[in-house]
Amino acid sequence: SSELTQDPAVSVALGQTVRITCQGDSLRSYHASWYQQKPGQAPVLVIYAKNNRPSGIPDRFSGSSSGNTASLTITGAQAEDEADYYCNSRDSSGNLLSYVFGTGTKVTVL
Amino acid sequence: QVQLVESGGGVVQPGRSLRLSCAASKFTFSRYAMHWVRQAPGKGLEWVAVVSDDGSNKYYADSVKGRFTISRDNAKNTQYLQMNSLRAEDTAVYYCAREAWSGGYNYMDVWGKGTTVTVSS
Repeated sequence: SSELTQDPAVSVALGQTVRITCQGDSLRSYHASWYQQKPGQAPVLVIYAKNNRPSGIPDRFSGSSSGNTASLTITGAQAEDEADYYCNSRDSSGNLLSYVFGTGTKVTVL
Repeated sequence: QVQLVESGGGVVQPGRSLRLSCAASKFTFSRYAMHWVRQAPGKGLEWVAVVSDDGSNKYYADSVKGRFTISRDNAKNTQYLQMNSLRAEDTAVYYCAREAWSGGYNYMDVWGKGTTVTVSS
């Protein structure tokens, strides 16, 4: 199976912009979705289908992709954005359908 | 609102079996593929398995292939994960998630709160 690699941790000053990246071969074939997970809680979808936000997700969250890299950008980070973020896509390796999550990025808002 | 509720977790000895359930409500369950995703203590998310909307197609992560079986009962709005030959490394919170589609892209739009499985002697 293929892998999706993320930076383990990033920090951002309150109100500033942070970009989280996700790299992997499967992203050349499939778009990533992004999930936010706060301690002790289930993941929450924040970006899907290139750059779409589910209802209730603030517009400071946006997504983009190029080649084998997908990115999640938080523009004007808020204290409540401090969380772990995971990318996910279908896995393009192998003959059978499978999915893969990124290694996760812990975002700290200073 | 749309909801997924997992159950069936617990403490089990290595080599034994456990069956997890995920009850869905407030949406047409039979129209959606369903996933299981797990998270070991202090670790990241790991995709486990997916079952198609009608239950005819099932796919697994290599780490559970041959030991776990995903299934569903659309009449009961419930999906299952039968876990056999459990190992210590299967210890995790197991989440149920709904798969949605938009413009040819799939993603997991609804998640349950999870159920904890601990494999220990």
